[in-house]
Amino acid sequence: DTGVSQNPRHKITKRGQNVTFRCDPISEHNRLYWYRQTLGQGPEFLTYFQNEAQLEKSRLLSDRFSAERPKGSFSTLEIQRTEQGDSAMYLCASSLEGQGRAFFGQGTRLTVV
Amino acid sequence: EDQVTQSPEALRLQEGESSSLNCSYTVSGLRGLFWYRQDPGKGPEFLFTLYSAGEEKEKERLKATLTKKESFLHITAPKPEDSATYLCAVQAANTGNQFYFGTGTSLTVIP
Repeated sequence: DTGVSQNPRHKITKRGQNVTFRCDPISEHNRLYWYRQTLGQGPEFLTYFQNEAQLEKSRLLSDRFSAERPKGSFSTLEIQRTEQGDSAMYLCASSLEGQGRAFFGQGTRLTVV
Repeated sequence: EDQVTQSPEALRLQEGESSSLNCSYTVSGLRGLFWYRQDPGKGPEFLFTLYSAGEEKEKERLKATLTKKESFLHITAPKPEDSATYLCAVQAANTGNQFYFGTGTSLTVIP
């Protein structure tokens, strides 16, 4: 148990619907990351928060994707107007500034049908 | 261009047959190289951080080493429970604060 909690673990949605995922990081960690992983690939960076500030976003991140981290605690990732190509595992990770290593949650598996 | 390349893509070992996994990187200003283990359907599990060439870390049957261009994950006398995908990631001056991952090596240890 890494301490990073993600909900839901699985989500099946119809194309065109909006979905929202939640991540609760390890409590003292001020850095939070979202990644996406498809079968046979390594995790691909989506976005990064330091406290409540979203400091980095991948250039690959469509404007249908939005992430928030109100009050620097939990984070949500919303995908609007889902497409079949959005089907993937969405991973959240957290770290403490100065420690380098990040700890991952178990992920949310999204299937768009 | 690929910044992190892992080889081989897949590796099958007999139980007890030692081997090494490779992670080569082409980033500027390495801040850290990280090894993770990932089981099917789960998130990556942190194993090691390496910061500078010559550094080594060990945990049970695993040993990670780092040079200026690559890292090796040595697996000594593996057991079936070591079967997993092993991911390598880097943080560097030209990757911002993100962890840039390779595609992983899928290890299968046969009893």
